[in-house]
Amino acid sequence: EVQLLESGGGLVQPGGSLRLSCAASGFMFDNYAMTWVRQAPGKGLEWVSAISGLGDSTYYSDSVWGRFTISRDNSRNTVYLQMNSLRVEDTAVYYCARVETAVFGVASFDPWGQGTLVTISS
Amino acid sequence: QPVLTQPPSSSASPGESARLTCTLSSDISASNYKIYWYQQKPGSPPKYLLYYKSDSDKGQGSGVPSRFSGSKDVSANAGILLISGLQSEDEADYYCMIWPSNVVFGGGTRLTVL
Repeated sequence: EVQLLESGGGLVQPGGSLRLSCAASGFMFDNYAMTWVRQAPGKGLEWVSAISGLGDSTYYSDSVWGRFTISRDNSRNTVYLQMNSLRVEDTAVYYCARVETAVFGVASFDPWGQGTLVTISS
Repeated sequence: QPVLTQPPSSSASPGESARLTCTLSSDISASNYKIYWYQQKPGSPPKYLLYYKSDSDKGQGSGVPSRFSGSKDVSANAGILLISGLQSEDEADYYCMIWPSNVVFGGGTRLTVL
């Protein structure tokens, strides 16, 4: 069974940092790109970042460019999201999802993890 | 950045059909894009349903019932998610998604099954 399990969320002050992890199981991890999507409380989905299966290409939304860094460790079947210079507007549930191709391109996100809540507040 | 517009809410009765729209901004043409659809129930992560580009280029998510289908209204520059034979468990938020360069989501439609 394909499973994705996020961890690392929590309460952080504005300007702080946090690293999210997404542990994958049940599939050949390096055959798939991975992505992060967030959802602010009561709001819709917002794509955040993605990384190719081999980790040699990364992608970011304009809203997190220069502040967030995505990476992956294929030996640990885990993708990470390092979040720096956090802002109140980064408060959201962060989901990781598998991209149905090795190269980040036009493809579905399937499945999604349960998400981890990140709260930025003083 | 292209914009996808979804009506905030929609409702229909059990057994009826629901037609959810996703209108693309005028700077892009719906006919050129695969439009992906996701379902999200309260307290749960999104679930991939299907994508539709054309009748010859479409795909269904694993285990997704065939009563969920996609289409387009090219004249309205919109993607459509059609749910036939509505069931109470179809009550959820539905999001469309495209990839013009990077990923764009619509704002979502909350479907109520009356």
